[in-house]
Amino acid sequence: GNSVTQMEGPVTLSEEAFLTINCTYTATGYPSLFWYVQYPGEGLQLLLKATKADDKGSNKGFEATYRKETTSFHLEKGSVQVSDSAVYFCALGKGDFGNEKLTFGTGTRLTIIP
Amino acid sequence: GAGVSQTPSNKVTEKGKYVELRCDPISGHTALYWYRQSLGQGPEFLIYFQGTGAADDSGLPNDRFFAVRPEGSVSTLKIQRTERGDSAVYLCASSLAGTSGQETQYFGPGTRLLVL
Repeated sequence: GNSVTQMEGPVTLSEEAFLTINCTYTATGYPSLFWYVQYPGEGLQLLLKATKADDKGSNKGFEATYRKETTSFHLEKGSVQVSDSAVYFCALGKGDFGNEKLTFGTGTRLTIIP
Repeated sequence: GAGVSQTPSNKVTEKGKYVELRCDPISGHTALYWYRQSLGQGPEFLIYFQGTGAADDSGLPNDRFFAVRPEGSVSTLKIQRTERGDSAVYLCASSLAGTSGQETQYFGPGTRLLVL
């Protein structure tokens, strides 16, 4: 079945550091790939997505590239801010009935220190 | 516009009781999903509705769980004979159509269920 393996946290970085959160997946066919973010006290929000191989999703300075050859979708940001502190979830979207049920990783808690 | 809303935000119940959790999707969204998020884990898929019908209920853990969406809008997740292991945050999400394979799901704030 479909699965997502995500870099375990927690991750603590200083402001302006470079961020990478690793994500690999197992799926049949061609899933869509997503990064969702959960800020403290808020609900899940879509951060970025990619729908086919070699696509790059980007938003708020974050980027991730859909790599089919390595089945990966690593999240990167060149210079993190305190406001980026949150829990990040990698997910793949592929259902068996034409729908796009999401399979999530376990989440990575990121804390940015000023 | 209004996002996905869920009520109640918190629910405390006793083992063996029945609970109902409500989800109001974004207006016009035909696809609706329920997920369950246990502490320290990512959300896990429960059930997917396309309109009024449950098109994929493969994630429901057992027959104590049931969900309906009678008019294709509001959905209710029903849990019978609750157990302590049912304690989790129950999330609802909706998307415009759900069948393109590329749509964004918008999540509600969740209902935190605690079974004592």
